[in-house]
Amino acid sequence: DAGVTQSPTHLIKTRGQHVTLRCSPISGHKSVSWYQQVLGQGPQFIFQYYEKEERGRGNFPDRFSARQFPNYSSELNVNALLLGDSALYLCATRGGGSWNIQYFGAGTRLSVL
Amino acid sequence: GESVGLHLPTLSVQEGDNSIINCAYSNSASDYFIWYKQESGKGPQFIIDIRSNMDKRQGQRVTVLLNKTVKHLSLQIAATQPGDSAVYFCAESGGSNYKLTFGKGTLLTVNP
Repeated sequence: DAGVTQSPTHLIKTRGQHVTLRCSPISGHKSVSWYQQVLGQGPQFIFQYYEKEERGRGNFPDRFSARQFPNYSSELNVNALLLGDSALYLCATRGGGSWNIQYFGAGTRLSVL
Repeated sequence: GESVGLHLPTLSVQEGDNSIINCAYSNSASDYFIWYKQESGKGPQFIIDIRSNMDKRQGQRVTVLLNKTVKHLSLQIAATQPGDSAVYFCAESGGSNYKLTFGKGTLLTVNP
C-alpha cells in the first residue's frame, strides 16, 4: 500500500507570494494533520482535519489555511509568504486499526527568498 | 506553555551497543506518547508508542519506558546498528484532538 504522499517535494517562492501544498493520505485514513518543521527543530502542529472539518488549529497566523476534500486528501495554503515560512511542511494521516498512530509523508521543502 | 523536551541533543554510540534516548514532558494531562525516527530528507517514521496507563512497552529491538511520577520517557535501542543513525523525536498528545507536541530531537550517531 502507498504511504502518505505529498507534492511537490521542493518549492521555491518569493516573499508575498502564495503557495499550495498537497497531501494524499494512506488508503482508509480519514484524518489529516499538517506540521511545520523548521531546520533543527521538531515539527509544530498547524492543522488537523477529520471528515472534511477542521478539528484543531495550532498557533499560526490566518495566512495559513487548509481544507480536506471528499476523498480525504488535503491542501495547505499559505498567503503572503514571509522568509520565516521557509521550512519542511509535513502531512500526517491516521485511521484504520492503529487509530492513534500518525504516519508522516516525506514533506514539502519550501524555500522563501 | 506545555512542551516536550530532550535531555541530550546528541548521542554517539558504537555499533552493537545499546542506546538510550531520554525525553522529559511537562503536560501532566498527556496520555499518549510516541517515538519517531527521522532520517535526513525524510519524514518522521513511527517507532513505538505507549499509553499513560503503561510503564513499559517493547517492540523489535526497541523498548519505551514511561515514568509518570517524574514525567520522563525513554527509548532504548538494543544492539544499535549504523542504520539506526537518525534524529529521534518524542511526542505527546492528550485529550481528543490527537495533536502531537514534539521535542527538539536527539541526533543518534552509530559508529562502525
